Amino acid sequence: GDSVTQMEGPVTLSEEAFLTINCTYTATGYPSLFWYVQYPGEGLQLLLKATKADDKGSNKGFEATYRKETTSFHLEKGSVQVSDSAVYFCALYTNAGKSTFGDGTTLTVKP
Amino acid sequence: DAGVIQSPRHEVTEMGQEVTLRCKPISGHDYLFWYRQTMMRGLELLIYFNNNVPIDDSGMPEDRFSAKMPNASFSTLKIQPSEPRDSAVYFCASSLTGRNQPQHFGDGTRLSIL
Repeated sequence: GDSVTQMEGPVTLSEEAFLTINCTYTATGYPSLFWYVQYPGEGLQLLLKATKADDKGSNKGFEATYRKETTSFHLEKGSVQVSDSAVYFCALYTNAGKSTFGDGTTLTVKP
Repeated sequence: DAGVIQSPRHEVTEMGQEVTLRCKPISGHDYLFWYRQTMMRGLELLIYFNNNVPIDDSGMPEDRFSAKMPNASFSTLKIQPSEPRDSAVYFCASSLTGRNQPQHFGDGTRLSIL
C-alpha cells in the first residue's frame, strides 16, 4: 500500500542554519505530494504542494521538489528562524479523497 | 473565510462518561475527516465521509467510537463509554474533491479522560 517515510527527529538547528527534512514515498501511480506544518496548539496547515514530477512547491522560504526517480519530496529552507519551530508532516494523496501522512518531524530552532 | 471549526477546544471528563466532539467543515467541502493524535501513535485517521456518507471507518478503534454527519455542515464524533486511553487531541479536517486538494484542519479538541 501507499506509505510515507520521514526523517526521524527531533531536529535542532541554530537560527539562519540550512534545513533539510527528508521524505520518501511508496505509491502506485502519480500521487500529489504535500508538506504540512503544525505549530504548538494548532492543527496541521498546508505549507506547500507539488502535483507532478519535477514540480517545485514553495512557500515562506521553504521548497520541495517532486522527484519521481528517487520517489522523494525533501523539504528545504536556506535560513531558518526561531518562528519555524514546529512539527512538519510529509503526505501524499492516495485515492478517493484520502491522504497518507508521515510520522512528522519536530524542528526546534534556537536563537 | 472561516476555517474548520471544532468544539469544544478542551474537554476533561471522568472515565465512563459519554463524550461528543463537534466539527463544522469549510462550506462547500465535500470530504470530512476525523483524526486522533497522540505522542505514542502519531496522527491516525479514524473515519472519513464523502458527501455526508461514511467511506472508510476502518480506523475507528472499537465500538465505543461512533461518528455521524447528518448534513454537509456538521459532524460529530462520540465516545461512549470513555476510557483514559482515549485521551488525545482529536482533529477534524475537510477538503474539496480532487487529487490536488489539500486537507484543511481545525485546531483540534484536547480530550483528557480521568
